[in-house]
Amino acid sequence: GAGVSQSPRYKVAKRGQDVALRCDPISGHVSLFWYQQALGQGPEFLTYFQNEAQLDKSGLPSDRFFAERPEGSVSTLKIQRTQQEDSAVYLCASSLGQGGETQYFGPGTRLLVL
Amino acid sequence: AQSVTQPDIHITVSEGASLELRCNYSYGATPYLFWYVQSPGQGLQLLLKYFSGDTLVQGIKGFEAEFKRSQSSFNLRKPSVHWSDAAEYFCAVGNILTGGGNKLTFGTGTQLKVEL
Repeated sequence: GAGVSQSPRYKVAKRGQDVALRCDPISGHVSLFWYQQALGQGPEFLTYFQNEAQLDKSGLPSDRFFAERPEGSVSTLKIQRTQQEDSAVYLCASSLGQGGETQYFGPGTRLLVL
Repeated sequence: AQSVTQPDIHITVSEGASLELRCNYSYGATPYLFWYVQSPGQGLQLLLKYFSGDTLVQGIKGFEAEFKRSQSSFNLRKPSVHWSDAAEYFCAVGNILTGGGNKLTFGTGTQLKVEL
């Protein structure tokens, strides 16, 4: 079956632009996560949704970052007024339920802010 | 707060040789532990996970890992490496969030190179 998909795969933005990154989780998966992976680093947690509810956003680095999942399926991560330090790969993951269930990762969106 | 240390940034092994990738974690309770592999342009793929029970865990692609509470370690092993195993490997510890989600904290990764 289809895995987690993300679009666009690559995004180049000028500093100050707004960007929107999309995640299509595996159908039926309740939990959805966003992670940020800087060059040479491991992924870092940004936020977590259970269905449409955003239950944890403790990892969002600033109020320029905003995520939503209005219908409990597709999610969008929006970054306003992008800065060079926002350049990273943004990974989306979904899992069927909660707890220790396996998280399935998408291929990521590579964002470069010039 | 939990943390994960992968002390080896790069490792090179010959094809057919054995492999051990080190992982140490810091976590207050019994941890959920994971190993993921990331190939260029690919998403992270789960190799194996430990929640409880048998401390030796078998995973996909011939990998295994052993949980050692006394050493706070969860090292990944493979008896005979194939050229296709060249990739970046991440160890992670899971923390259950309010609402049940499993927040993963990753190490910085180990880049594996396989010499033919």
